[in-house]
Amino acid sequence: DAKTTQPPSMDCAEGRAANLPCNHSTISGNEYVYWYRQIHSQGPQYIIHGLKNNETNEMASLIITEDRKSSTLILPHATLRDTAVYYCIVRVPGKLIFGQGTELSVKP
Amino acid sequence: EAGVTQSPTHLIKTRGQQATLRCSPISGHTSVYWYQQALGLGLQFLLWYDEGEERNRGNFPPRFSGRQFPNYSSELNVNALELEDSALYLCASSLALGVMAKNIQYFGAGTRLSVL
Repeated sequence: DAKTTQPPSMDCAEGRAANLPCNHSTISGNEYVYWYRQIHSQGPQYIIHGLKNNETNEMASLIITEDRKSSTLILPHATLRDTAVYYCIVRVPGKLIFGQGTELSVKP
Repeated sequence: EAGVTQSPTHLIKTRGQQATLRCSPISGHTSVYWYQQALGLGLQFLLWYDEGEERNRGNFPPRFSGRQFPNYSSELNVNALELEDSALYLCASSLALGVMAKNIQYFGAGTRLSVL
């Protein structure tokens, strides 16, 4: 079973920041939070991951709360090409357990 | 650097037949994972191979099987195909599990299997 909960859908205006929330209240101390996205039945694309500190890369920022029970993925300047299903995953050894994800629609 | 490659892109079979799907991992990756994405069911973990051994499998019947070759490529075999096996089958690869922080799974584009 997925260890995360996400809103099923969100809209964002092009050029604005997209903030995608994720709850993972049962996360264990050594479990990482991973984010992937899937654009229209292509293979999932890795975005970012973190353990307890905030992380940033060229694609996005990941903010993890101090108690680690939730996190937010931030796409700073969303474009139409960011329209996709975004998955928040708590990594267990050897596999990724995908939930239903958040369908993000970026609108002009 | 080449990513994870899967073949064929599309595969059409009839019920009862066998399907073989292939995956080549990113160079240097020793772990290969298989996932099924059936319509309405989301992405489900199928199998994990590392160093030629099956390390874990998801909640799928034994007619789903596979293997990993010495060059770390992998095959997924589905025997006695059923209509509900129609799905996108995704392969991912990663470095060895040892360092969790770096154990990112990278996915291929998938094989779409249609069972008629």
